[in-house]
Amino acid sequence: GNSVTQMEGPVTLSEEAFLTINCTYTATGYPSLFWYVQYPGEGLQLLLKATKADDKGSNKGFEATYRKETTSFHLEKGSVQVSDSAVYFCSCGTSYGKLTFGQGTILTVHP
Amino acid sequence: DTAVSQTPKYLVTQMGNDKSIKCEQNLGHDTMYWYKQDSKKFLKIMFSYNNKELIINETVPNRFSPKSPDKAHLNLHINSLELGDSAVYFCASSQDRASGAETQYFGPGTRLLVL
Repeated sequence: GNSVTQMEGPVTLSEEAFLTINCTYTATGYPSLFWYVQYPGEGLQLLLKATKADDKGSNKGFEATYRKETTSFHLEKGSVQVSDSAVYFCSCGTSYGKLTFGQGTILTVHP
Repeated sequence: DTAVSQTPKYLVTQMGNDKSIKCEQNLGHDTMYWYKQDSKKFLKIMFSYNNKELIINETVPNRFSPKSPDKAHLNLHINSLELGDSAVYFCASSQDRASGAETQYFGPGTRLLVL
């Protein structure tokens, strides 16, 4: 089956720092790739997605590029804010809508 | 206004009890899901229904039984609760599941604590 491996957390940054959260996947075929974010006490919400190789997903200053050759989908943001503090999940989707999630990366941003 | 809602939000109960969690979506989606998130935040799919038909049934104990009375509702019934069932349970929905590229919309979660 599919698997997703994320960078171990927690990650602690100062405001305006550069963020990278690494994500690699193992899957058959060509899965869609997603980043979901979970704010404290809430459910997950989609941050961005990419459905084919070389696609770049972007939202709220976050970006990730679907790299088939390295089976990666790393999340980046040039300047993080305190409000970005959350848990970030990388995932890949199959044709039955089954999402396989990475273990989640806790991000804390200090003022 | 809430797209995916779950009740109850918190559930504290004793080992051996039977409990249900309800989920409703008002997005007009065809597919609904149940996920379990453990204390380390690891998230794993349990079940998926498409138009009231069971599509995904991961390796979940028989004590867990999903029921979908219509495509807007997916309930989760748990028999003989065990300590290891303590977790946060998330319901989600998506327009379809055919391509695997659909966004899933998650409810706020039900925090279950078994004592």
